[in-house]
Amino acid sequence: DTAVSQTPKYLVTQMGNDKSIKCEQNLGHDTMYWYKQDSKKFLKIMFSYNNKELIINETVPNRFSPKSPDKAHLNLHINSLELGDSAVYFCASSRSFEGSEAFFGQGTRLTVV
Amino acid sequence: AQKITQTQPGMFVQEKEAVTLDCTYDTSDQSYGLFWYKQPSSGEMIFLIYQGSYDEQNATEGRYSLNFQKARKSANLVISASQLGDSAMYFCAMRVNSNYQLIWGAGTKLIIKP
Repeated sequence: DTAVSQTPKYLVTQMGNDKSIKCEQNLGHDTMYWYKQDSKKFLKIMFSYNNKELIINETVPNRFSPKSPDKAHLNLHINSLELGDSAVYFCASSRSFEGSEAFFGQGTRLTVV
Repeated sequence: AQKITQTQPGMFVQEKEAVTLDCTYDTSDQSYGLFWYKQPSSGEMIFLIYQGSYDEQNATEGRYSLNFQKARKSANLVISASQLGDSAMYFCAMRVNSNYQLIWGAGTKLIIKP
């Protein structure tokens, strides 16, 4: 069973479109994250939710909106996609906000054309 | 400022040799955790090992060990008896317990030669 699964794995879309990436974890963790990995492989946190509550909201355009319907899910919705949004987006979860390791999903490679 | 530095953008290592990947960190917090992750070409991020700032023993997980030198603020990853499957990007990360954010290094690309 996949611990942290995100869909889709690849997403190619045109500028201006709205898209969503879904993430689910079956680990019973309280905390979930979204990270963006740019072309230089640098990982940057975007959001963190703890028990469905937004804990971390880094400087991210408000076109990006996370939604956590329950503790096991954290979806990322992106409005009005821009070329610069092209990156790999990783979902992750950890046992708690103060917990140890974060477990990552397989990543979603978003390409905006 | 909190920062992770990985000074080796890339490394070539002969199969079966031991590898040390460097990581230094900067924080004024006394309570923090250090992590290593592996990212193979397939893209997923795989957790390898964790060291807490108050842990007295160096962490070990199978062929991975973390050489934690607190005074020097270094947390090098050591891979013993390297294998071809170890070829990947390796990221060092730090979580400072005052704000629980993970701060990432730029990564080291490790290539194991047969």
